[in-house]
Amino acid sequence: GAVVSQHPSWVICKSGTSVKIECRSLDFQATTMFWYRQFPKQSLMLMATSNEGSKATYEQGVEKDKFLINHASLTLSTLTVTSAHPEDSSFYICSARDAARQGASSYEQYFGPGTRLTVT
Amino acid sequence: AQKVTQAQTEISVVEKEDVTLDCVYETRDTTYYLFWYKQPPSGELVFLIRRNSFDEQNEISGRYSWNFQKSTSSFNFTITASQVVDSAVYFCALSEDTGRRALTFGSGTRLQVQP
Repeated sequence: GAVVSQHPSWVICKSGTSVKIECRSLDFQATTMFWYRQFPKQSLMLMATSNEGSKATYEQGVEKDKFLINHASLTLSTLTVTSAHPEDSSFYICSARDAARQGASSYEQYFGPGTRLTVT
Repeated sequence: AQKVTQAQTEISVVEKEDVTLDCVYETRDTTYYLFWYKQPPSGELVFLIRRNSFDEQNEISGRYSWNFQKSTSSFNFTITASQVVDSAVYFCALSEDTGRRALTFGSGTRLQVQP
């Protein structure tokens, strides 16, 4: 159980175009999903917290107009990188919390396999 | 603000050696959770352990063991009799108690196990 999928697993796009990444919780409902970015040989940095039915919360320094997040259902959050540039090339990872869990296990985040974005 | 420090950037050992990965954290919360994740070359994070701030018992799972010391704000991870398949980047992370319960990750330790 507790599987999170991401699509696509990798994508190459041209500079100036937009690309959408999907994050789905397959066997549980997630009121909260998180989006992380990981540059090569670096740690995961939280970009934003995606809340079902409301606006995402962005971390300091993350441009909300560039990284559009939509969490329209309890099982799907999308990240759209608008007008992508080579510096946006990175590994994007989403995670989700199971809304049904309580107590200690409610702190658990289930991670997707990641999406490798290359902007040429 | 929360912070997780993994001072060891890279460790190289020979198979069958024991290795300890260090993790030191900072938080003002009295209730918090600590995690260890493994990230193999494929990139997908593998959950290893979750520990809450009130449980200081050490944990052992096969060749893996964890030592949580609240007095020194450390949560160290030991692999006994390392194997080549243990080669990966290991991340320590801290979850805040309130609100979003977002994870703050350490910078990671790259472990190379040589045959």
